[in-house]
Amino acid sequence: GQQLNQSPQSMFIQEGEDVSMNCTSSSIFNTWLWYKQDPGEGPVLLIALYKAGELTSNGRLTAQFGITRKDSFLNISASIPSDVGIYFCAGPNNNDMRFGAGTRLTVKP
Amino acid sequence: NAGVMQNPRHLVRRRGQEARLRCSPMKGHSHVYWYRQLPEEGLKFMVYLQKENIIDESGMPKERFSAEFPKEGPSILRIQQVVRGDSAAYFCASSKWGGPGYEQFFGPGTRLTVL
Repeated sequence: GQQLNQSPQSMFIQEGEDVSMNCTSSSIFNTWLWYKQDPGEGPVLLIALYKAGELTSNGRLTAQFGITRKDSFLNISASIPSDVGIYFCAGPNNNDMRFGAGTRLTVKP
Repeated sequence: NAGVMQNPRHLVRRRGQEARLRCSPMKGHSHVYWYRQLPEEGLKFMVYLQKENIIDESGMPKERFSAEFPKEGPSILRIQQVVRGDSAAYFCASSKWGGPGYEQFFGPGTRLTVL
């Protein structure tokens, strides 16, 4: 099946810094989704990407769908404490969604 | 417009008991998905249902687990004779349309602890 590899596994940054994380796959995806999960909650959709090369922003978040369709990155600019959480990339796999293992972000005030 | 609702939020069961997890999709959504999440891991697909139909249960363990989405009422994930390894967070998601590529919206999850 399709595997999604996320890196880094965890990040510790200072408030105000920019953050970059990425997701790669051994096979092609036609859609990339980025979710954020707060402790004790379900994942919340941040950005959806539908076309290779697409660059999409949502506030301080920017995500790109790689040209090869095998990777995607998520950037967060000027991080704030509430950005803390786990960020997951996901892509459709037949009838379900395949998730990466997540990048755990810690923001120090 | 309420989001996906799940209850209970926390469920404690002893080994051998049954666990019933409920999920009400977003209004207007007729496609429901169940996922399981172990600590420090991503979500793993279990089953995809439409009203009264199981579309894909390829991620569901063959024994003790079952799911339904009746014509009326919430979707139910049922685990019989629970074991310690069933302890996990179980998330339900819904979408307006089914199939790959459509955005899925998640509920807050049910955290199952098996003693």
